[in-house]
Amino acid sequence: DAGITQSPRHKVTETGTPVTLRCHQTENHRYMYWYRQDPGHGLRLIHYSYGVKDTDKGEVSDGYSVSRSKTEDFLLTLESATSSQTSVYFCAISESGGSDEYFGPGTRLTVL
Amino acid sequence: AQSVTQPDIHITVSEGASLELRCNYSYGATPYLFWYVQSPGQGLQLLLKYFSGDTLVQGIKGFEAEFKRSQSSFNLRKPSVHWSDAAEYFCAVGESNDYKLSFGAGTTVTVRA
Repeated sequence: DAGITQSPRHKVTETGTPVTLRCHQTENHRYMYWYRQDPGHGLRLIHYSYGVKDTDKGEVSDGYSVSRSKTEDFLLTLESATSSQTSVYFCAISESGGSDEYFGPGTRLTVL
Repeated sequence: AQSVTQPDIHITVSEGASLELRCNYSYGATPYLFWYVQSPGQGLQLLLKYFSGDTLVQGIKGFEAEFKRSQSSFNLRKPSVHWSDAAEYFCAVGESNDYKLSFGAGTTVTVRA
C-alpha cells in the first residue's frame, strides 16, 4: 500500500472555526490531491498540487485553501468552517498527473 | 468535454454468481483507464489499470477488465463474487497531458447469500 496518512481521522468542530487537515506521504510523488466525498456527489476535487508551493483549484475550491511547503505534506484549510463542509475528505497522490492515484484512509469532518 | 459514465447505480448479485460493472468514457485521446474499490469506511483502492497493450487486464482480488475502444468502454468483471466484494466501485479515466483523473459516480454492489 502507498504510504499515505491523513490526520486527524475524525473531527467535530463548530461553525466559524478554522480547521486544518493534513496529508502526509512517504512515496515522494509529485502530485497530491484533496477530494471530498458526499452521498449523491461522488468524488469532487477541491485542490491539487503539482509540486512544492505549486497548487491549483479543483471544481469545489470555494471556502478552502491549501499549502504545500514540503513534498511530503499537503495541508487543507477551512478558514471558517460551515455545515456544508461536513464531509469525508480524501487525500490522494500520483507520480504523474492523469495517471494512477493512491488514496489515503480519509478524514470524517463534522461541522455543527 | 471529458466524462465517465457508470450506468448502474446499484447492483445486487448472489454470492458465487458472476459480476459485470459497466463503464463508458468520453475522451479525445487514448485514455488511461482505472477501476477502484471502496469498502465502507475505507479509502479507494486501485483494482486494476490499463495504459496500453493487451486490452484484457487482470487486477487484484480476482477482477479483470476489458478495454473496448470501439465502444468506449472499460467494463469490470469477476467470475464468482464473494461476500467481501460488497463495496462501491469507481471507474476513472486519465490521460498523459492531464493533471488528474476523472471519476465516475460509482456503482454500489450488494452481495446476497
